[in-house]
Amino acid sequence: EEHLVESGGGLIQPGGSLRLSCAASGFTFSAYWMHWVRQAPGKGLVWVSRISTDGSNTTYADSVKGRFTISRDNAKNTLYLQMNSLGADDTAVYYCARTWAMRGAFDIWGQGTMVTVSS
Amino acid sequence: DIVMTQSPDSLAVSLGERATIHCKSSQSVLYNSNNKNYLTWYQQKPGQPPKLLIYWASTRESGVPDRFSGSGSGTDFTLTISNLQAEDVAVYYCQQYYSTLWTFGQGTKVEIK
Repeated sequence: EEHLVESGGGLIQPGGSLRLSCAASGFTFSAYWMHWVRQAPGKGLVWVSRISTDGSNTTYADSVKGRFTISRDNAKNTLYLQMNSLGADDTAVYYCARTWAMRGAFDIWGQGTMVTVSS
Repeated sequence: DIVMTQSPDSLAVSLGERATIHCKSSQSVLYNSNNKNYLTWYQQKPGQPPKLLIYWASTRESGVPDRFSGSGSGTDFTLTISNLQAEDVAVYYCQQYYSTLWTFGQGTKVEIK
């Protein structure tokens, strides 16, 4: 069965850094574009970033550009999100999700990991 | 960025009746070269990640009940849930993947009347 499992969330002070991970199993990880999508408590979904199958192409939402870095290790079937200069607005559940192409639907989602930015 | 606007924000429908959710994009998400609308619909139940229902505006994902259907083209889209079931209570989101930066609608909460 195809699975995505996020980890690395937690409570972090404003201005701090955190690295999220997303472990993939049950499918050929290197064949899929991967994404991060976040959801603030009680709010809607916001696309954050995507990365190409080989990691050479990355794109970010304006709200995180310059602060967040998406990367992947296809040998470890793992997606990452390095988050720096965190602020209260970054508090959210972070989901990883895959698409079959650069432009496609999110057909598999992880369960999410909660990031809380607070002093 | 393409702004996605859903209506209504919430609706209550009786069991067995039809629920209709609208999604409007601030610019067309129809790609003329392949005549596909880059528009998806997701269902999210409390405490769960979103689930893909519809892609290319009208193609139902494998395993999704046929009471869910999507329609529309260009800038105006509709998700219809016919014969509403108790398990359909959820928030529904549309999302465009046409532009470089992807965007979701604000969500529509569906409840039982």
